[in-house]
Formats: sequence, structure tokens, C-alpha cells
Amino acid sequence: EPEVTQTPSHQVTQMGQEVILRCVPISNHLYFYWYRQILGQKVEFLVSFYNNEISEKSEIFDDQFSVERPDGSNFTLKIRSTKLEDSAMYFCASSERTGGGAEQYFGPGTRLTVT
Amino acid sequence: GDSVTQMEGPVTLSEEAFLTINCTYTATGYPSLFWYVQYPGEGLQLLLKATKADDKGSNKGFEATYRKETTSFHLEKGSVQVSDSAVYFCALLPGDYKLSFGAGTTVTVRA
Repeated sequence: EPEVTQTPSHQVTQMGQEVILRCVPISNHLYFYWYRQILGQKVEFLVSFYNNEISEKSEIFDDQFSVERPDGSNFTLKIRSTKLEDSAMYFCASSERTGGGAEQYFGPGTRLTVT
Repeated sequence: GDSVTQMEGPVTLSEEAFLTINCTYTATGYPSLFWYVQYPGEGLQLLLKATKADDKGSNKGFEATYRKETTSFHLEKGSVQVSDSAVYFCALLPGDYKLSFGAGTTVTVRA
């Protein structure tokens, strides 16, 4: 069964460094998402992406974040200058369509630790 | 704004017990509703969904009914197994893209 994959599974970085989290969505899906879960808190929406553009973003997704689909298979989240509070589990998701009942399929997550 | 309130855990049950996890939501319009499950060490897996009032989603013995009058989407399973031990998340999709999640309920089933 097709699945969303993410690399790395765990990333440790120092405050102020740039990180890139990578995702390979399900191959026939057109819509891509990033969510994050800070330890002990809810899963939060960051951004959605379609047709090489951001379609929706949350207030969390500020100028230090960016997303890109550099080729036909990868979808990346870049954090330009990491802060301690960026430590979280980051989930990538993809869906075939949007709107009523559209199912988003999640990857296993990347645990980001900022020291 | 749109939000989900989920029964707090942790919940500990014996095998073959009945499981209910309460979920209520606040949303304008007619959101779609989902339950996701996260097994230890894994990502979020879609368990079931419902897209309109009175719809019942079901999968792997789990069921949930979309109740618009009570704005609820409670998850139930009649007889749990040890393998059902996981964190369960209720979520709503009010628009096109953004899923809003509840806090998650940790369920532990003992043999």
C-alpha cells in the first residue's frame, strides 16, 4: 500500500541553524501538508501546498518557514533559523483531493530537537 | 474558530472491554470528521471518517456517528484487544485543507 515517507526520522540541530525536513508524498496525490506536534500539545496545521503554491498557512508559518517541491517526488519544509521552541514532531501529509471528506495520509514524522 | 474537544485520558481497559472516546466539535458549516490512530513509534493513520450528519464511519471494529444535533463524533469499539493500544485523535476538516485535531486520548488495553 502506498505511503508517505519522511526523512530523517530524528534531527538534532543547534539554535540558529537551518534545517530541511524531507517528505515523499503518495505518488498520485496533488495536495501536500505539514503539521507539527510539540510534546504534550495538539497536532497543529502549518501549511498546505498545491500546484507549486501555498494554498493555506497558519499563523505559526511565519517568514522563517518555507516549503518547496524541488522535483516530482519530494516535498520539503525548511526552517531558516531554528529556535528552541521549534522542537517538535513534524508530520508531512498528502491527499488526492481536497474538500468534503478528503483523506489526508500522514508520514511517520521527523522529530526535530533544537539545542 | 473551529475546534475539537476530546475526552482526556489515559484510558486503561481490559481485553474485550467496551471502549468509548468522546469527541465534540465547534465549527461553522458542515465539516468532515475523522478519527486517526497513532500506534507506538508510528505516524498518524486514518481510522475512519464521516462527511455529513448521521453518517457512520467504521473500520477495524471501530465506529463513530456524526451527530450534528450534539456536535459529537464519539468513537466506540465493542471488544478491544491489546493491539488497540494507541493514541486516538479526533479531527475535523471544516474547509479544504486544514485539519484541526483534538488533544489525543491514550488507550492502553491489558491482557
